[in-house]
Formats: sequence, structure tokens, C-alpha cells
Amino acid sequence: DIQMTQSPPSLSASLGDKVTITCQASQNINKYIAWYQQKPGKAPRLLIRYTSTLESGTPSRFSGSGSGRDYSFSISNVESEDIASYYCLQYDNLFTFGSGTKLEIK
Amino acid sequence: EVQLVESGGGLVQPGRSLKLSCAASGFTFSNYYMAWVRQAPTKGLEWVASITNSGGSTYYRDSVKGRFTISRDNAKSTLYLQMDSLRSEDTATYYCTRGAGPYWGQGTLVTVSS
Repeated sequence: DIQMTQSPPSLSASLGDKVTITCQASQNINKYIAWYQQKPGKAPRLLIRYTSTLESGTPSRFSGSGSGRDYSFSISNVESEDIASYYCLQYDNLFTFGSGTKLEIK
Repeated sequence: EVQLVESGGGLVQPGRSLKLSCAASGFTFSNYYMAWVRQAPTKGLEWVASITNSGGSTYYRDSVKGRFTISRDNAKSTLYLQMDSLRSEDTATYYCTRGAGPYWGQGTLVTVSS
């Protein structure tokens, strides 16, 4: 089974900051990684698929990159509406979620 | 419009069974790989099980193998999760999803407690 190590578990940022979340897979996942945003009481929302492809409606301040085992997700110019938890998901071989990152505003 | 609507959650005693359903609409259900994902209270997302579009292949996380069964009825556009021998650690909101994509249901809460 593929394991996904996501860090950090939490982030505190000021409005306008750039933040970055990383996920490392236990093996090459061939860029098959997606990033989801989840707000309390809601289903997850897909932001990015296949490493860097923005889903329709995803603001351009969100971005993703990576290859092989190492991937990152960034939010530039953090806004108050970005307060949420973020999860990576590998879908190269079945599904494995990262443990999540909770973004708070300072 | 794609819609996924789960049902069947509730309070159940340890060791008992429960069957979840997910009614799909707005797309050709038989063309898509489907999955169940769960989230325990205050915890992260956890993949539970997947099924190919024909239903010919199924996959499970280790902790539910032998206890949960994923299935589908393509004629009814419905996905199922039969959960047997439930444990307290199965307490979670269960979501159905259309593959690793943007379409998720609203979730149904399963609480396993005596």
C-alpha cells in the first residue's frame, strides 16, 4: 500500500502570505496526486488534480507541483476564505489520503 | 448536474450490520469507478473501498477487509456499502465519490455504540 506523508499538520498565516504544504509518497505515484479543501461540516472540494491541473472554479492563487515521490501545494496571497483543512490524495494505486493540514489565519 | 446522495446511516450497536446506499444522477453511472471514503469525528479522510465501473473488481482497506462489501447496481445507478461486524472505530461520516474527482455526496453519519 502507498503511504502519504503530509506536512505540516497545521499552518498559521497572515492574510496575503504564501503557504506551502508538502506530501511525500512511499513510492513513485506518477503525478497522480490531487489536493482537496475541506471546511467544517462540508464534503471535500477538489482544487487540483494530476499534480498541477486546476479544477474549474479554483482561484489561480492555488498551485501544485512535483514529481516522483515529492509534491507540494501552495496558496499565494492567502485570503480569509482559505481557512480550511487541506488534504492530498494519491490515486496512482487505489487511494491514499495525506493526514491533512489545518490552515488558520494569524 | 451530477448528484450523489447517500443514505442508510444511523446508530448501530457493535457487532451489528448496516447497509449504506448512494444514489447517483446526472451522469452515466455505469461508466465510472466509484468509491467510499470516511471521516471519523475530528479526524482526516480515509479511503474505505472502491469498485470498477462493471463491478467486476473491488478493493478494500485492510481494516475493513472481510467485514465490508462494496457493490453497485448499474441499472439503478446506485452504489452500496454493506458493513458487517461493525466496531466503534468504524464511527464516521461516509461519503461516496466518483473516482478521485470533484463529485462527492453530502455524507451519511454512522455511529457504532452500545
